[in-house]
Amino acid sequence: GDSVTQMEGPVTLSEEAFLTINCTYTATGYPSLFWYVQYPGEGLQLLLKATKADDKGSNKGFEATYRKETTSFHLEKGSVQVSDSAVYFCALRGRGSTLGRLYFGRGTQLTVWP
Amino acid sequence: DSGVTQTPKHLITATGQRVTLRCSPRSGDLSVYWYQQSLDQGLQFLIQYYNGEERAKGNILERFSAQQFPDLHSELNLSSLELGDSALYFCASSVTPTRAGIETQYFGPGTRLLVL
Repeated sequence: GDSVTQMEGPVTLSEEAFLTINCTYTATGYPSLFWYVQYPGEGLQLLLKATKADDKGSNKGFEATYRKETTSFHLEKGSVQVSDSAVYFCALRGRGSTLGRLYFGRGTQLTVWP
Repeated sequence: DSGVTQTPKHLITATGQRVTLRCSPRSGDLSVYWYQQSLDQGLQFLIQYYNGEERAKGNILERFSAQQFPDLHSELNLSSLELGDSALYFCASSVTPTRAGIETQYFGPGTRLLVL
């Protein structure tokens, strides 16, 4: 079945460091891929998305490219800030009978120190 | 602010009890999804409604049920509560589930349930 695997945290970085959070997926056909972010005490917010192979989603300095050949959607940011400290979730939405529901990874806790 | 509202924000109850969680989707969104976030299971899809009708079921226990009303708000009913039901319950909404992979799900702030 459809599933998402993302790197386990926690990830601890200094401000202005480069961030990569790995995400790979298993799905039938061509899913849509998402990164959501959850700040402390809040709900999930959509960070970025990509709906087809080679699409690059970007937002607030974060980027992720839909790589069908490696079934990956790694999240990157060139220079993290303290305000980026949060839990990041990779997710996919499949097609066909599973249309609509999201499959989430386990989440990666990011802490950025000044 | 996603536009999705959930009440209550926190709920503390005892084992064996029944609770109702409420969700109001974003204006114009017809589809509502419920997810459960727990430490051991992570984020799991429970159930989806579209315009009042059930569309998909995930890992939802038989003790749990949901419905979507004509005004499109949704309620998740949890009964015979157990300690393991303690979790954060999220509601999400989207415009329509029919455009494959295009629409975005917007999440509410969640209801934190603690069963003692």
